[in-house]
Amino acid sequence: GAGVSQTPSNKVTEKGKYVELRCDPISGHTALYWYRQSLGQGPEFLIYFQGTGAADDSGLPNDRFFAVRPEGSVSTLKIQRTERGDSAVYLCASKFSGANVLTFGAGSRLTVL
Amino acid sequence: QQQVKQSPQSLIVQKGGISIINCAYENTAFDYFPWYQQFPGKGPALLIAIRPDVSEKKEGRFTISFNKSAKQFSLHIMDSQPGDSATYFCAANFNAGNMLTFGGGTRLMVKP
Repeated sequence: GAGVSQTPSNKVTEKGKYVELRCDPISGHTALYWYRQSLGQGPEFLIYFQGTGAADDSGLPNDRFFAVRPEGSVSTLKIQRTERGDSAVYLCASKFSGANVLTFGAGSRLTVL
Repeated sequence: QQQVKQSPQSLIVQKGGISIINCAYENTAFDYFPWYQQFPGKGPALLIAIRPDVSEKKEGRFTISFNKSAKQFSLHIMDSQPGDSATYFCAANFNAGNMLTFGGGTRLMVKP
């Protein structure tokens, strides 16, 4: 597609539930990033994929968070046993490897009740 | 560790005025400094970026000023327009493969 596509745009879940957030990057972009943006704050890095492998997952807050990119294109961020503190907008971004320009999707707004 | 500090948190400017947003960084290895613009309900979009080998970069009404010795950089929006009302984020990284570290954001409102 023309841009980075994220689904769902909004997700409301109950504490303790499992959620999956999907990112479809720009075609040809080999690098894919997940960020988390809390209300009134800047995006915080979660994980970075180069191709299929996680090149840097140092931003994942704990082992409830996991992300995959099995075919080097679409990525899924998975959150187990959600907590109210997980409520945020989860942003996905992609770029060509070696380039600096990062293109963001509109984000998935997660609300944990 | 907050490696990029941004100020002010919010800014109100009259139409036609100059908006100035400042950022300071700590990591001297940073070599790429972009500014992103974010409208409500949208993802951040790249506005303008600079590398430390130049002290200023201008694109239309937007200018980045960079002070390597002070480890500071700023965004100037000349002739500010109501359509510029958005949240602005500075960011930094080193090596193209590394993640961007963002500042906390500045919410700009331009009054007509």
